[in-house]
Formats: sequence, C-alpha cells, structure tokens
Amino acid sequence: GESVGLHLPTLSVQEGDNSIINCAYSNSASDYFIWYKQESGKGPQFIIDIRSNMDKRQGQRVTVLLNKTVKHLSLQIAATQPGDSAVYFCAENIGNDAGNMLTFGGGTRLMVKP
Amino acid sequence: DTEVTQTPKHLVMGMTNKKSLKCEQHMGHRAMYWYKQKAKKPPELMFVYSYEKLSINESVPSRFSPECPNSSLLNLHLHALQPEDSALYLCASSPWTGNEKLFFGSGTQLSVL
Repeated sequence: GESVGLHLPTLSVQEGDNSIINCAYSNSASDYFIWYKQESGKGPQFIIDIRSNMDKRQGQRVTVLLNKTVKHLSLQIAATQPGDSAVYFCAENIGNDAGNMLTFGGGTRLMVKP
Repeated sequence: DTEVTQTPKHLVMGMTNKKSLKCEQHMGHRAMYWYKQKAKKPPELMFVYSYEKLSINESVPSRFSPECPNSSLLNLHLHALQPEDSALYLCASSPWTGNEKLFFGSGTQLSVL
C-alpha cells in the first residue's frame, strides 16, 4: 500500500543551527500535508500545514516545502532551540465526506545539543 | 478553549476488565477520532466520527467499542483486551471532515496485564 515515510530516524543539531527534516510520500492522491511535533508524554502538536496547490509555506521559525514532482516534503526549523527537541511526524491527508484519513510517517527524533 | 481533554492519563487493566477512555472538546468540532500509538511508532487511525456518527472503522477488533454521546464527547469502551493492546490512545478532533488539521489530546497510556 501507499504510505508516508521519513529518510532519517534521528537528527542531532547544535543549538542555533537550522534543522531540516525530510519526508517522502507515495500517495499521489494526497492533497494536504501536516507536520506535527510530539514531546514525550504528550499528544502530537500541530506545527504547520500545506495544501498541494502550494510549494512553500512559512510560519514562525518554521518553513514547509512541498515538491510534488518527487513526492517530497520537508520541515525547516530556523535557529533550533532546546525546546524543539521532540519527535516530528509528517502526515498526509486524503479528506473525504467520511472523515480525514490522516496517515503518519515513521517520525524523526530531533535532538538539540546546547 | 482550544484543547482536547482525555481522561484518564494512565490506565492499568487486566484482560477481564471493562474500562472506558473519555475524550472531550469544546471547540465546536464536528469530527472526532481515536488513534492508537505504540512506543516509537506513529499514531494509527482507529475510528472516525462525523456529526456523531461512526464514519470510519479501520478494521479495529470488537473488543474496542467507540461511542459518541454528543458532539463534544467521545468514548472508547474496552473489554477483554490483550497485552498487545497496551499503547497510547489518542483522541483528536477537527472542525469538519475533509482536509482540516487535527487537534490531539495528550492521550491515555494504557497497560493491559
């Protein structure tokens, strides 16, 4: 079946550096993508989303890039801080009348070194 | 109020017990979800409720029984669970069905002995 996956399971960065977390998806029907951050003992927290009619979207310190040609999604975090340490999941969504079919990728653990 | 509240936070139960997980949101969202998350794995969809009606069941065993009493509440009734059902159970909601972001609760960490 089609699925969402990540290239790197663990990413270690120095505080202040920029982080890039990558995600590959294979379902060409997906038209909405979300990045979630999950800290230990907590539920996934929404970071940023992007629809398939866009290729870039910026938030506060975060940017999501979507390359539909190669089915690739990335999350860029500027000036990474210790509080950014968490597991990051990309997710693709095939919404329909029955409900959001949010499918998560495998997750990348981001570790920020002080 | 932008929170999804789940209770209890932790639950330990035996295989013969019956227990319920509860979820509540007051954002006026009309879609609610149950996800299961094993350690170091991504969340996996179990059920979707749309306008208080079950719209998606991802082939979940009948020992898990969802219930949506009203638009703000979502329950997951548990009966005769197995040790492999031990996981973090996450509730989420979204404004509508379709392409909308999901708001997640903090989950209930379930241990089945």
